[in-house]
Amino acid sequence: EAQVTQNPRYLITVTGKKLTVTCSQNMNHEYMSWYRQDPGLGLRQIYYSMNVEVTDKGDVPEGYKVSRKEKRNFPLILESPSPNQTSLYFCASSPSRPADTQYFGPGTRLTVL
Amino acid sequence: SQQGEEDPQALSIQEGENATMNCSYKTSINNLQWYRQNSGRGLVHLILIRSNEREKHSGRLRVTLDTSKKSSSLLITASRAADTASYFCATSSNDYKLSFGAGTTVTVRA
Repeated sequence: EAQVTQNPRYLITVTGKKLTVTCSQNMNHEYMSWYRQDPGLGLRQIYYSMNVEVTDKGDVPEGYKVSRKEKRNFPLILESPSPNQTSLYFCASSPSRPADTQYFGPGTRLTVL
Repeated sequence: SQQGEEDPQALSIQEGENATMNCSYKTSINNLQWYRQNSGRGLVHLILIRSNEREKHSGRLRVTLDTSKKSSSLLITASRAADTASYFCATSSNDYKLSFGAGTTVTVRA
C-alpha cells in the first residue's frame, strides 16, 4: 500500500531532550516536507527536500533540523525542544514538486513540558 | 507565510444540504488544491485546479476558480455525516512551496 508513515504517533517529552520524528514514504517520491499544525494557524511548512541531500527552510524552521540521506526517509530532529514546539506534525511527500498532489502521513502529536 | 484564507471558519449544516466554502489568496498561482482533514488525522487530497481552469468536478465535489478575484470555492453537494471534517485550500505560486490556509470546519448534523 502506498503510504507515508510517521513515528512516533504520540510523544510527550521534556524541555531540552533531543528527539527525532521519523518519516518514510514508499512511493519513490522526490519531494518531501514537514509541516506543523496549530489551532487557527493552519499548516506551516518547517523544512522541505526536493531530492536526496537537498533540503531547504520553510516558513518556520527555527529549532528544527532535517536530513535526507535516502530518498524514502526524511526525519525531523528537535535538538533542544521547547514548549512552543508543542504541536501536531505532519510529513508529506509528492512525486516531484510541492505543487503536485501531496500525500500526508498520519501525524505526530508532540507535547513538550 | 499563509497564502490562502478560507471562509467561513466554521459551517454547520443538515445532512443532505449543500456546503460551500471559499478560499481567497493574495498572489498569482500555478494551481490551487483542496484537502480534507478528519479530526487530528493527516490531510487527504480532494481536488486540484490549475490556474487556466475555471471549474472542476469530482463526485459530489465542485471547485471553481476565479483568478481575477483571486478566489476559489468548494461545494459539497448532498452532504453526509462522513463529510464532517476540516477543509483546507492550498496554493502554489512556484515550484518550491505549497501554502495552506487555516481551514473551514464543517459539521454535518444527522
